[in-house]
Amino acid sequence: NAGVTQTPKFQVLKTGQSMTLQCAQDMNHEYMSWYRQDPGMGLRLIHYSVGAGITDQGEVPNGYNVSRSTTEDFPLRLLSAAPSQTSVYFCATASEYYNEQFFGPGTRLTVL
Amino acid sequence: RKEVEQDPGPFNVPEGATVAFNCTYSNSASQSFFWYRQDCRKEPKLLMSVYSSGNEDGRFTAQLNRASQYISLLIRDSKLSDSATYLCVVNKRAGGFKTIFGAGTRLFVKA
Repeated sequence: NAGVTQTPKFQVLKTGQSMTLQCAQDMNHEYMSWYRQDPGMGLRLIHYSVGAGITDQGEVPNGYNVSRSTTEDFPLRLLSAAPSQTSVYFCATASEYYNEQFFGPGTRLTVL
Repeated sequence: RKEVEQDPGPFNVPEGATVAFNCTYSNSASQSFFWYRQDCRKEPKLLMSVYSSGNEDGRFTAQLNRASQYISLLIRDSKLSDSATYLCVVNKRAGGFKTIFGAGTRLFVKA
């Protein structure tokens, strides 16, 4: 079992470009979430999903979209990249929102 | 004020030392509590859950005080391999299902 996988590992974008960060899990968990991690800020929740077809905003949703068409996949879309979105992005999954979360290895994004 | 606050450190301790990390949270709707460990440039991983009765896992002891909204982690007999960032995590069901991470406390254990 791969657990939680994220692609790409690294990405450089120019301001205004769009892209999708991929996240997939094979743990059959209902709860999935996206975080960004910036120095001194800890992880901040961007969006989360409690099951296929259900998504909701976290703490810092602006500039990002998500969808959850299957249990396994939870892609994060950057609509028009900005330098403020330079960060490390982690996808996570849990059997329930209040349980242990399992993280993917992260995507390091730089927006120039 | 942040919902989950931790001492940022860093804590620099010799091998064998006992070190304590503290964390406070502001939302009384918080339901579950954890300590995660994050190594440099890696993803966070669960260290242990935190229960009101307190719980211990080898050299690690976690405590929760709901009345004071305070969580602690004690590491005894520190090892070089304990060097990492320790994240305090709180889950709550208020305005959705949210997980809030503290900014983390950096620990360096020296030989």
